[in-house]
Amino acid sequence: TAGITQAPTSQILAAGRSMTLRCTQDMRHNAMYWYRQDLGLGLRLIHYSNTAGTTGKGEVPDGYSVSRANTDDFPLTLASAVPSQTSVYFCASSDDRGGDTQYFGPGTRLTVL
Amino acid sequence: GQNIDQPTEMTATEGAIVQINCTYQTSGFNGLFWYQQHAGEAPTFLSYNVLDGLEEKGRFSSFLSRSKGYSYLLLKELQMKDSASYLCAPMDSNYQLIWGAGTKLIIKP
Repeated sequence: TAGITQAPTSQILAAGRSMTLRCTQDMRHNAMYWYRQDLGLGLRLIHYSNTAGTTGKGEVPDGYSVSRANTDDFPLTLASAVPSQTSVYFCASSDDRGGDTQYFGPGTRLTVL
Repeated sequence: GQNIDQPTEMTATEGAIVQINCTYQTSGFNGLFWYQQHAGEAPTFLSYNVLDGLEEKGRFSSFLSRSKGYSYLLLKELQMKDSASYLCAPMDSNYQLIWGAGTKLIIKP
């Protein structure tokens, strides 16, 4: 199985532009997550979804939005990118949010200039 | 506040044993995860401890002491492919993983 896929692999974006990072899982997991990873820092949770149709804010949600229209897809949108959003973005999923192992996609490397 | 403390970098020799320590403070506790992350790649799951004690899985073992807010990952018979970052992540009362910055492990021949 593919597990979790993310697109694009990398992107350079001009400040002020919008962008959607895509994430798709084929494991029928209920919960999905978006993290950003910056050098010297731990992974930080941006948004999460416990199940299709619901979303929640994580530790660093400002400047980002998500939707969960179905089980498989969990896109992350930057409405107006800023240089501080330069980061590596990882999507993850777990069977349930209550203590189950999270499995990660390959990541999207985003540079905002 | 919530805090994770693990060494930034460690060096070990191929074939040897290394122990990576992690101390944590979280609001509530629902277990602790260890992940491995090779440079430029995604984190991959290694272990999960929710009760005190040692969990052994092949060359890797993980230990937890909830009363001390302490865990370690023990890697035996080190191989060059074990060169990676190791991430400690306890889960708080809201089932949110709190991630440390990771320990970069360098294996020398």
